[in-house]
Amino acid sequence: EVQLVESGGGLVETGGSLRLSCAASGFIFNAYNMIWVRQAPGKGLEWIAYVSGDGQYISYADSVKGRFTISRDDARKSANLQMNSLRAEDTGIYYCAREGFYSDLDVWGQGTAVTVSS
Amino acid sequence: QSALTQPPSVSGSPGQSITISCTGSTGDVGLYSRVSWYQQPPGTAPKLIIYEVNNRPSGVPERFSGSKSGNTASLTISGLQAEDEANYYCSSYTTSYTWVFGGGTKLTVL
Repeated sequence: EVQLVESGGGLVETGGSLRLSCAASGFIFNAYNMIWVRQAPGKGLEWIAYVSGDGQYISYADSVKGRFTISRDDARKSANLQMNSLRAEDTGIYYCAREGFYSDLDVWGQGTAVTVSS
Repeated sequence: QSALTQPPSVSGSPGQSITISCTGSTGDVGLYSRVSWYQQPPGTAPKLIIYEVNNRPSGVPERFSGSKSGNTASLTISGLQAEDEANYYCSSYTTSYTWVFGGGTKLTVL
């Protein structure tokens, strides 16, 4: 079964750091680009980061650029999101997703909750 | 990276058809056919229901269809069912490995 499972969320103070992980199974991990998407409470989806299958290409939304770092570990079949200098507006559910062949997000994890509080 | 524009809410009775619009720009929806739609019932993760403007993944009912004209994409659900009640989001690939989502549309089945 193709599956993504996020972990690492929690409660953190403003200015703190968290590292999210996304464990993949059921597919050839290094053949796929991976993406992180977040959703603030009661709000819509926001794309925040991308890493290519070979790790050569990385991109970020302006809202997290310079604070978040996406990476992948093909040996462990995981995509990671290091989040620094966290702000209250970073609070939400963080999903990892697999990019399909047509730039769609064809597989999603269940999400992990991040709460940034002072 | 401006969000795509969707109506906040739509509604319809069982058996009816509804259409949700998604308006972008010449830099995203108008430029690429990489438009996708996601269904998200409350408290669950999003699920892909349309990719590349008008293609359905395996297992998605034929009642769901997509289209695009210029800078606007559309999702049509025909023969509405109670189980279709959810939030729907459009998304488009833009340039340089970036994506943009719509603000989301809440579908209420009356």
